[in-house]
Amino acid sequence: AQSVTQPDIHITVSEGASLELRCNYSYGATPYLFWYVQSPGQGLQLLLKYFSGDTLVQGIKGFEAEFKRSQSSFNLRKPSVHWSDAAEYFCAVGVYQFNNDMRFGAGTRLTVKP
Amino acid sequence: DVKVTQSSRYLVKRTGEKVFLECVQDMDHENMFWYRQDPGLGLRLIYFSYDVKMKEKGDIPEGYSVSREKKERFSLILESASTNQTSMYLCATYPGTSSYEQYFGPGTRLTVT
Repeated sequence: AQSVTQPDIHITVSEGASLELRCNYSYGATPYLFWYVQSPGQGLQLLLKYFSGDTLVQGIKGFEAEFKRSQSSFNLRKPSVHWSDAAEYFCAVGVYQFNNDMRFGAGTRLTVKP
Repeated sequence: DVKVTQSSRYLVKRTGEKVFLECVQDMDHENMFWYRQDPGLGLRLIYFSYDVKMKEKGDIPEGYSVSREKKERFSLILESASTNQTSMYLCATYPGTSSYEQYFGPGTRLTVT
């Protein structure tokens, strides 16, 4: 069965430092991959998505992610973190061929130190 | 822009009460979903619907039911609320086209006492 793993439950970085959030997936075919962000008390907002083509995708708020098929990974990066990036981040894989649903990782909570 | 609204942001109910959570979307999307979100578990699918009056169980349907009488509205029903159903509930829609991403509502924080 398809699954998504986010190995880091909580990450703390200093403002201005670079960020990488890890995501690994298990799925038989090339999946549709997503990163969502959730600010406190809010719903989920899409940061970026990958379907095919260029394996480095750009998203909103200066985020990017790289799909690496050989590692079954889709890590999220940002070169310089801002205090407003403090939130929870979810990686997800779309399984639309079968039942139109999406599988989410457990999330990584990002704290930004001043 | 897609708009997904949920009837309440915060809700407090007593054990044994029947609870209705409503979700309304304004973009004519075929597919709608209900998730619950718990710390350390991410989002887990409760039910989804791919058309009016059609529904499919997700990973954790026990204790829940759903209703979709109109395309724009998808309701989650807790027949007899229990304390272990205290959670954040998120509704999402999906157009079923090449976009593939799901669009989320703001969530309902339900507390069952």
